[in-house]
Amino acid sequence: DTAVSQTPKYLVTQMGNDKSIKCEQNLGHDTMYWYKQDSKKFLKIMFSYNNKELIINETVPNRFSPKSPDKAHLNLHINSLELGDSAVYFCASSQVSRNTEAFFGQGTRLTVV
Amino acid sequence: AQTVTQSQPEMSVQEAETVTLSCTYDTSESDYYLFWYKQPPSRQMILVIRQEAYKQQNATENRFSVNFQKAAKSFSLKISDSQLGDAAMYFCAYAQNNAGNMLTFGGGTRLMVKP
Repeated sequence: DTAVSQTPKYLVTQMGNDKSIKCEQNLGHDTMYWYKQDSKKFLKIMFSYNNKELIINETVPNRFSPKSPDKAHLNLHINSLELGDSAVYFCASSQVSRNTEAFFGQGTRLTVV
Repeated sequence: AQTVTQSQPEMSVQEAETVTLSCTYDTSESDYYLFWYKQPPSRQMILVIRQEAYKQQNATENRFSVNFQKAAKSFSLKISDSQLGDAAMYFCAYAQNNAGNMLTFGGGTRLMVKP
């Protein structure tokens, strides 16, 4: 069983569209995250969410919003997509209360054309 | 804010040899964790090794070991007996304790393994 799974793996869309990336973890972790990896491979935290608290990296445009229907899911919604949003987006989870390391999904390559 | 620096964009090693990847970080905190993640061409992020800052003993995982120098804020990764499957991007990462385990990554080092 995949611990952290994201769908889709690849997403190609036009500028201006709205899209979502889904993420599910079956590890029972208390915290989930979204990271962005740009074309130079640099990874940056976007959001952290643990059911009580959403922490947003201040550099993330408000066109990006995480939505958590339950503890096992943290979906990423992106409105009015721009060319610069093209990147690989990783979902991750960890059990913060036990200081476990982060487990990552396989990533979603988003291409905006 | 914490920063993580990997000064080697690329490294290469002969199969079966040993290679060391460098990482330095900057923080004013005393309680934190350090990690090395491997990203092969498959794109999957795989944890290689972790180190708790309060532990003086360097972490080891089979062929992988770290040299953790807290005062110098240095956290290098040594790969012994390199294998072709070790070829990947390697990322050093920092997480502050009691701050949600959010990771701050270095820029990565691409490791090539020559047969």
